[in-house]
Amino acid sequence: DAGVIQSPRHEVTEMGQEVTLRCKPISGHDYLFWYRQTMMRGLELLIYFNNNVPIDDSGMPEDRFSAKMPNASFSTLKIQPSEPRDSAVYFCASSFSRGYEQFFGPGTRLTVL
Amino acid sequence: GESVGLHLPTLSVQEGDNSIINCAYSNSASDYFIWYKQESGKGPQFIIDIRSNMDKRQGQRVTVLLNKTVKHLSLQIAATQPGDSAVYFCAEKRYNNDMRFGAGTRLTVKP
Repeated sequence: DAGVIQSPRHEVTEMGQEVTLRCKPISGHDYLFWYRQTMMRGLELLIYFNNNVPIDDSGMPEDRFSAKMPNASFSTLKIQPSEPRDSAVYFCASSFSRGYEQFFGPGTRLTVL
Repeated sequence: GESVGLHLPTLSVQEGDNSIINCAYSNSASDYFIWYKQESGKGPQFIIDIRSNMDKRQGQRVTVLLNKTVKHLSLQIAATQPGDSAVYFCAEKRYNNDMRFGAGTRLTVKP
């Protein structure tokens, strides 16, 4: 298996633009997590899915953030409109079971100018 | 203005020495713990895990110790190598199955 795949690896956009981050979890994993990592706040859980259903989105900072998982092999995290304070590295992770080892993707480094 | 960020604990060791990275966890009901390694520009990677019914677990060059009395976890790396330079996170599985990550410790290995 290729592991968790994220795209793009880097994204530079201007304030106000829509940004869409993509993730392909490891096949067979039932849980998918979206994290944000910044120097200010470290690694933060934004939202996670179980069997494509959003379970806990309490970490999503604002209504500008939304996440979907239309099928078991694909998820998106969308920011609309983006703001400079959204600049961070966004990680997607998947696991076979909740509360156990999570496999992280390489991350998407987002810069909002 | 001046930015204020997380002040990651930093450990600097000489190549070949042993490293010990510490982590305090908050919930006495947590029953599973993981150490992750994050190299620059990469996502966190699993190193070793331990369940709360154990005090010690060994892997290749790494050992995790769990002291439930004081809610303390440590990661020992034997014969530290330059490739071990990274940020190390501990994570605990809480009663509701949530995994919570610590702030991390930056390990720097000097040649």
